[in-house]
Amino acid sequence: GENVEQHPSTLSVQEGDSAVIKCTYSDSASNYFPWYKQELGKRPQLIIDIRSNVGEKKDQRIAVTLNKTAKHFSLHITETQPEDSAVYFCAAITNTGNQFYFGTGTSLTVIP
Amino acid sequence: DVKVTQSSRYLVKRTGEKVFLECVQDMDHENMFWYRQDPGLGLRLIYFSYDVKMKEKGDIPEGYSVSREKKERFSLILESASTNQTSMYLCASGLGQGVGYTFGSGTRLTVV
Repeated sequence: GENVEQHPSTLSVQEGDSAVIKCTYSDSASNYFPWYKQELGKRPQLIIDIRSNVGEKKDQRIAVTLNKTAKHFSLHITETQPEDSAVYFCAAITNTGNQFYFGTGTSLTVIP
Repeated sequence: DVKVTQSSRYLVKRTGEKVFLECVQDMDHENMFWYRQDPGLGLRLIYFSYDVKMKEKGDIPEGYSVSREKKERFSLILESASTNQTSMYLCASGLGQGVGYTFGSGTRLTVV
């Protein structure tokens, strides 16, 4: 089955700096890659996703890039703010699969 | 907005008790999932269901069972609770391929 690895496990940045979280996957058939943000004590929420026919997607301060050849995808957060502090999970799914495979999460702390 | 509702936010049970965690979704999703979330281990899939009365084992099914008698409801059962089942349990639902999940708010279960 699919194996998703996520790095780093913890990340601290100064407010206003950029943060990058990287995930790699093993199954070349994976074609949809969502990112979830989980604030302390709350449910994970979908913040951005990318499909395999696209190399990059942006939504305001967040962007996701996908390198199918290298089988990795990354979450980029620019101009970080304290409210970006949370745990971020990446995931992957194939076009024939019913379940997502999640990374182990990255705890992001934005220092004011 | 899809709503995924978990019946309890916090639960304390004794070792050996039978525990029921309930999850209800209101968007007619075929797929429902139970994860447990532990620090440093991310989201681990316990069971999932892609149709009424259908279930599939995830990565860590031991000590758990599930029931899906109606499309909107997916129950996780701990047959005989043990202290190593103390965890946060998250339910999720989704349409499947290429669409992100919606998570419930989670049930923090403590087994004493």
